[in-house]
Amino acid sequence: RKEVEQDPGPFNVPEGATVAFNCTYSNSASQSFFWYRQDCRKEPKLLMSVYSSGNEDGRFTAQLNRASQYISLLIRDSKLSDSATYLCVPARGGQNFVFGPGTRLSVLP
Amino acid sequence: DAGVIQSPRHEVTEMGQEVTLRCKPISGHDYLFWYRQTMMRGLELLIYFNNNVPIDDSGMPEDRFSAKMPNASFSTLKIQPSEPRDSAVYFCASTQGAGGASPLHFGNGTRLTVT
Repeated sequence: RKEVEQDPGPFNVPEGATVAFNCTYSNSASQSFFWYRQDCRKEPKLLMSVYSSGNEDGRFTAQLNRASQYISLLIRDSKLSDSATYLCVPARGGQNFVFGPGTRLSVLP
Repeated sequence: DAGVIQSPRHEVTEMGQEVTLRCKPISGHDYLFWYRQTMMRGLELLIYFNNNVPIDDSGMPEDRFSAKMPNASFSTLKIQPSEPRDSAVYFCASTQGAGGASPLHFGNGTRLTVT
């Protein structure tokens, strides 16, 4: 079993739709959690950190369920510019960041 | 505020040649990471440093790969001799603090093609 699992997609959604991505991680020692987005042929960029109580940043909401070892990302009112690959990243002791394979999103006009 | 700076952006070389990739982390960041990304394997951690000391190099594929960090503002990843299967995008990233609470900041990457 891979340490971080994500549905690779692609998720093809119309503009304005709400879309949700899920991620599961296997290492219970993971302490911090992040979502990154990566545009084609670019570097990954931090989208948001994920806190235990859940957190929101504009149209983006992240949730963490430590008991189920599950992270989610919800995007509301999706824009064309949201088209990218979304990477789930749990980090455990020290600075050990483990990148998931990513979920590809295409927002269609 | 300058981000992580990598050079070169693109490198095309022939099999058997030595390749050196360079990275300047964000000033004040004490952790530096080298990643490799391919379509087949995704983003893989090769090695990371803390305060210029290599901490975990278990991701380095084989002895052809070596990495150094002679000071807090510079690191190199060297492949000698290079092979076609080394073709990938190599990213350098940095962060500060312990415990994994601070996110990684990536450079633009070096796209390596070995023919």
